[in-house]
Amino acid sequence: DIQVTQSPSSLSASLGDRVTITCRPSQVVGTYLHWYQQRPGEAPKLLIFDASNLVSGVPSRFSGGGSGTDFTLTITSLQPEDFATYYCQQTYSVRTTFGQGTKVVLK
Amino acid sequence: QLQLQESGPGLVKPSETLSLNCSVSGDSININNYFWGWMRQPPGKGLEWIGKIYYSGTTYYNPSLKSRVTISADMSKNQFSLRLTSVTAADTAVYYCARHKGSSGGYESWGQGARVTVSA
Repeated sequence: DIQVTQSPSSLSASLGDRVTITCRPSQVVGTYLHWYQQRPGEAPKLLIFDASNLVSGVPSRFSGGGSGTDFTLTITSLQPEDFATYYCQQTYSVRTTFGQGTKVVLK
Repeated sequence: QLQLQESGPGLVKPSETLSLNCSVSGDSININNYFWGWMRQPPGKGLEWIGKIYYSGTTYYNPSLKSRVTISADMSKNQFSLRLTSVTAADTAVYYCARHKGSSGGYESWGQGARVTVSA
């Protein structure tokens, strides 16, 4: 199976900060890499699909980039509702796998 | 608007079978190019993919669970189901059903989740 490593596992940031989360699959996945946001007690929500495409309705302060084995999720100007856990997921393999998550907390 | 809703027992005894249904409204599960999947999340942990089913009935499973998992669909009820046999405490989790488009799409619609505890 393709292992997906996210870093950092947690980060503390202030309102208005720019934060970047990295996702590195253990092998090349093209751009079959997606990002989710999960708030406590809620289901995950798809933010970005195919590495860099913003889901309709998701604020433009979220952006994704990368390909192959190196991907990033960037949030510019962090808002109160952005404090959550973020997961990446590769779907290059039919046996999809998720990263272990990055929890964004208030500094 | 597509909605998915998990249902089933919240408590299952060790060695027994966990059964959950996912009822779908707002669209048919019997349509080309959409896959219907199950994920789970143990308390305080990350997401684990369990498996998925295509409208044709083709199924795909996580190898680590494959010997215990069955995913099926009932087109007449517009729902799909998960069966997990021989459960242990390690199967305690919130179970989610979800949909993705295309063979490699992200899961764009999710149910709210069903909390299942395995305990005697």
